[in-house]
This record gives sequence, C-alpha cells and structure tokens, in this order.
Amino acid sequence: KAGVTQTPRYLIKTRGQQVTLSCSPISGHRSVSWYQQTPGQGLQFLFEYFSETQRNKGNFPGRFSGRQFSNSRSEMNVSTLELGDSALYLCASSPEGPGTFSSYNSPLHFGNGTRLTVT
Amino acid sequence: AQTVTQSQPEMSVQEAETVTLSCTYDTSESDYYLFWYKQPPSRQMILVIRQEAYKQQNATENRFSVNFQKAAKSFSLKISDSQLGDAAMYFCAYRSATGGYNKLIFGAGTRLAVHP
Repeated sequence: KAGVTQTPRYLIKTRGQQVTLSCSPISGHRSVSWYQQTPGQGLQFLFEYFSETQRNKGNFPGRFSGRQFSNSRSEMNVSTLELGDSALYLCASSPEGPGTFSSYNSPLHFGNGTRLTVT
Repeated sequence: AQTVTQSQPEMSVQEAETVTLSCTYDTSESDYYLFWYKQPPSRQMILVIRQEAYKQQNATENRFSVNFQKAAKSFSLKISDSQLGDAAMYFCAYRSATGGYNKLIFGAGTRLAVHP
C-alpha cells in the first residue's frame, strides 16, 4: 500500500506570492492533518480535515488555508508569502474519524514533506 | 495548554549500546496518548512507539521501550542494542483524548547519533 504522498518535494517562491501544496493520504484513510516544521518553532499543528470539513485549526494567520476533496486528498494554500513561511510542511493521514475511541490511539502516518523556501 | 519538553538537544551512543531519551510534558488532563516519532534524513516521521495514559504497563516495541511515569509526567524512550539505522531526530508527542484527534503537540526533538 502506498504511503502518504506529498507534492512537490521542494518549492522556491518569492515574498508576496502564493503557494499550494498537495497531499494524498494512504488509500482508505479519511483524515488528513498538516504540520509546519521550522528550526525555531519546531513542529506546529496547522489544521486537520475529515470528510471534507476542517475539524480543528492551529494558531496560524488566515493566510494559511486548506481543503479536502471527496477522495480525501488535501491541499493547503499559503497566500502573500513571508520569509518566515520557509519551512518543511508535513502532511499526515489517519484511518479514523472523530468521535471514536480508537481514533485517539491511531498513529498518524506522515509523508516526506514539502520543503518551501521563500526568498 | 499542554507542552512537551525534550531537554536533550543531542545524544550519542555506541553501536550495540543502550541509550535513553528524556521527555516531560505538562497537562491538566487525565486521559491522553503519548508517542515517540523518529525523523531520519528522509524527513518522513515514523512512529516508534505509543503509550496510552490509562495503561500502567510500559509499552515495548522490539528494541524500543518507554518508561512512563504519569505522576511525574515523564515519558522516556530507551533504545537497546542501538543500530546505525537508529540515527535520527526523535520527537516526543502528546495527543489529548478530547478535541482535535489529529493534533499532536511535539517536543523540540533530540538528535541521536550512533557511532560504530
């Protein structure tokens, strides 16, 4: 079974531009979450999606947005890029939906990430 | 708000030896889950081991085991018979049993070097 696939693997953008990152979860997984990883702030939760609905959002400005499609694939978008948005963006999928006992214990399966550099 | 602290930015171990990585956390919740993830240079986060807070028994997974001290809010990872492939960043993570079920709170990480 293929793992979580993130595209592109690397991306270079200029300040003020916008960017869209893509994530395809493991087949059968319906939950997708996004994390930002930087040397200064570490790993921080961005948002999570289930059944095409955003279920939870981290403490990030509105420039960061996302969506999930009916096939569970997800995209995140960052508008008006800033230098501080340079980071590794990780996507994770999980088979479980909210409200189930096992959902909290289900491990997240991560992709290899997209390295975004803003110049 | 919950926090996770890894006080060892870097650790090193000789091949075949044992090493322990420390993790403490702060929470007012009684029900939660704890995880150790490994991130090799490939950047993919790989689950190493997980622990349910309601279980007193420490989790083990082959060469990996944890020492879970709920009252002390401590969750250390022991790697036995270290191998060169164990070299990576290790992250301790906390997940609440309520709220966002995919929201993990990570520590800053410990970089583990394994010497032959």
